[in-house]
Amino acid sequence: ETGVTQSPTHLIKTRGQQVTLRCSSQSGHNTVSWYQQALGQGPQFIFQYYREEENGRGNFPPRFSGLQFPNYSSELNVNALELDDSALYLCASSSHRVYEQYFGPGTRLTVT
Amino acid sequence: QKEVEQDPGPLSVPEGAIVSLNCTYSNSAFQYFMWYRQYSRKGPELLMYTYSSGNKEDGRFTAQVDKSSKYISLFIRDSQPSDSATYLCAINAGGTSYGKLTFGQGTILTVHP
Repeated sequence: ETGVTQSPTHLIKTRGQQVTLRCSSQSGHNTVSWYQQALGQGPQFIFQYYREEENGRGNFPPRFSGLQFPNYSSELNVNALELDDSALYLCASSSHRVYEQYFGPGTRLTVT
Repeated sequence: QKEVEQDPGPLSVPEGAIVSLNCTYSNSAFQYFMWYRQYSRKGPELLMYTYSSGNKEDGRFTAQVDKSSKYISLFIRDSQPSDSATYLCAINAGGTSYGKLTFGQGTILTVHP
């Protein structure tokens, strides 16, 4: 069984730029959730995708957007990057038990 | 008031000690309760989840939920240096809340040999 994978591992961007992060869900899982984890904090829910549609969203501005593909993999896009967007971005996948989420290793984004 | 409160610690114990990690929550609609372990620079790893009030045991780990007090705990018996990590509680309201997990801040645990 393949776990959740994310790419890239690390990324450095400049304020105002755009970034795309990628996630492959665990085998057999059809739901993907994205979280932002600032240093020393717990993860914060960004949004969730199910059947290629956004299925719930946390308190994040519209410049955070996503996609889910037919193979259940997903992308997180962030436009107009701000310094406060520097964080670990985590992807989690789940099956019908959507609360039982399995996380990938994360992408560490640094905005300078 | 945060929906989920967790003492960030840090907590330092000797090897073999019993560790108690705790969270409180404010929303009585929360139904599913998870504990994650996160090693430095890694993603969170799901340790246990439970639905109802009471205890759930898995090896050296016991999760306890008291819905009347809105209080959840994770106990680690015979703690090992490899248990040194950040422990995160996470809660889900179920139903139409889809799969949103609300996390505590995390407790940093160090187990000394």
